[in-house]
Amino acid sequence: AQTVTQSQPEMSVQEAETVTLSCTYDTSESNYYLFWYKQPPSRQMILVIRQEAYKQQNATENRFSVNFQKAAKSFSLKISDSQLGDTAMYFCAFMRRLFGNEKLTFGTGTRLTIIP
Amino acid sequence: DSGVTQTPKHLITATGQRVTLRCSPRSGDLSVYWYQQSLDQGLQFLIHYYNGEERAKGNILERFSAQQFPDLHSELNLSSLELGDSALYFCASSVDDEVLKHYEQYFGPGTRLTVT
Repeated sequence: AQTVTQSQPEMSVQEAETVTLSCTYDTSESNYYLFWYKQPPSRQMILVIRQEAYKQQNATENRFSVNFQKAAKSFSLKISDSQLGDTAMYFCAFMRRLFGNEKLTFGTGTRLTIIP
Repeated sequence: DSGVTQTPKHLITATGQRVTLRCSPRSGDLSVYWYQQSLDQGLQFLIHYYNGEERAKGNILERFSAQQFPDLHSELNLSSLELGDSALYFCASSVDDEVLKHYEQYFGPGTRLTVT
């Protein structure tokens, strides 16, 4: 079974600074996808960014980028120029690409607070 | 707004009762996933339907069942409710397109279930 580990339960950073959230995963699969989801106080789950395991290039979405280290099974999220609206729980998630097994396996989350 | 709708937003009921949670996926999405988010278990996959058929089951209790209808909306039925079933229940949808490799899951706002 796949496992996803987020070792930082809580983090805080000053507004406009850069912060990196860590995620490691354990799998023997070669075909998989990784995601970061954001859950603000509204509890809505919002997709932030995705990474395909077969792609070497790290994904970026505006101020959000990932550092995907496949050999190390590491998938960290970097938030640049952090904003107050970035305050949320962030979940790392793993998905196998196998028929009948497309579920998301989530980490336990990192609570990020942006300080004004 | 993800385009996925869930009703009701909140549900308060007593132990032993039965409830039905409803989900409408994004237009064009054939897959519906159900997840449970609780304080002690985190985010857990329950069940996946694809175009009306059950595709995968996770840690779903026998007291829980789901179905996906011809119009692709889905319902999650929870019966003989216990205090421990209190949680936030999310529905997510995905186009699951093998050709375009679009596997992102978009979440609805969730239904908060409180069992008293």
